[in-house]
Amino acid sequence: DTGVSQDPRHKITKRGQNVTFRCDPISEHNRLYWYRQTLGQGPEFLTYFQNEAQLEKSRLLSDRFSAERPKGSFSTLEIQRTEQGDSAMYLCASSLVSAGANVLTFGAGSRLTVL
Amino acid sequence: GNSVTQMEGPVTLSEEAFLTINCTYTATGYPSLFWYVQYPGEGLQLLLKATKADDKGSNKGFEATYRKETTSFHLEKGSVQVSDSAVYFCALSSLQGGSEKLVFGKGTKLTVNP
Repeated sequence: DTGVSQDPRHKITKRGQNVTFRCDPISEHNRLYWYRQTLGQGPEFLTYFQNEAQLEKSRLLSDRFSAERPKGSFSTLEIQRTEQGDSAMYLCASSLVSAGANVLTFGAGSRLTVL
Repeated sequence: GNSVTQMEGPVTLSEEAFLTINCTYTATGYPSLFWYVQYPGEGLQLLLKATKADDKGSNKGFEATYRKETTSFHLEKGSVQVSDSAVYFCALSSLQGGSEKLVFGKGTKLTVNP
């Protein structure tokens, strides 16, 4: 088990470009979450999947953001027409739904800088 | 909605000092409570958790007790080390309303000096 993997770790792009981040969760986990973290703030929830179904999306997730989890394995988060305000660390986490607390395991994150 | 409030940082302590980081929450239902830690340059890691009132979570010398009467989950450590320097996040997860997403506080940066 290699944990939650995110790619790329760093992305620098110009305003107006599209970017895509990939997350590979822990293989036996059925839930996958996306969060956004800006400097000095706690992670903010964006969306989550159970298997391939997207169960909840935050109001923070504008129409420019889309996430997919085909076949319930890896997930992608795409940001279209990036804006400078999109600069942040994008965190992916996964968990296994079972009895007890829902413990999320986080990846190292993908840092986006929009120039 | 659910929310977490934790003490503002940064907190600077000398090695072997006692640490308390306050955390209070607002939630419907019966949330599970967590402390996550983010070491410099690394991802968030679960430090400890508690799932019901009066439970005490503990790990690496850190402790936190789930206090329903005061809606608190304060993090404590009796003797901090330089290696404890990190950002600490309090978080909750509640099944109420069908969402189990984790809601985080803003984080408290701890620096421990030798």
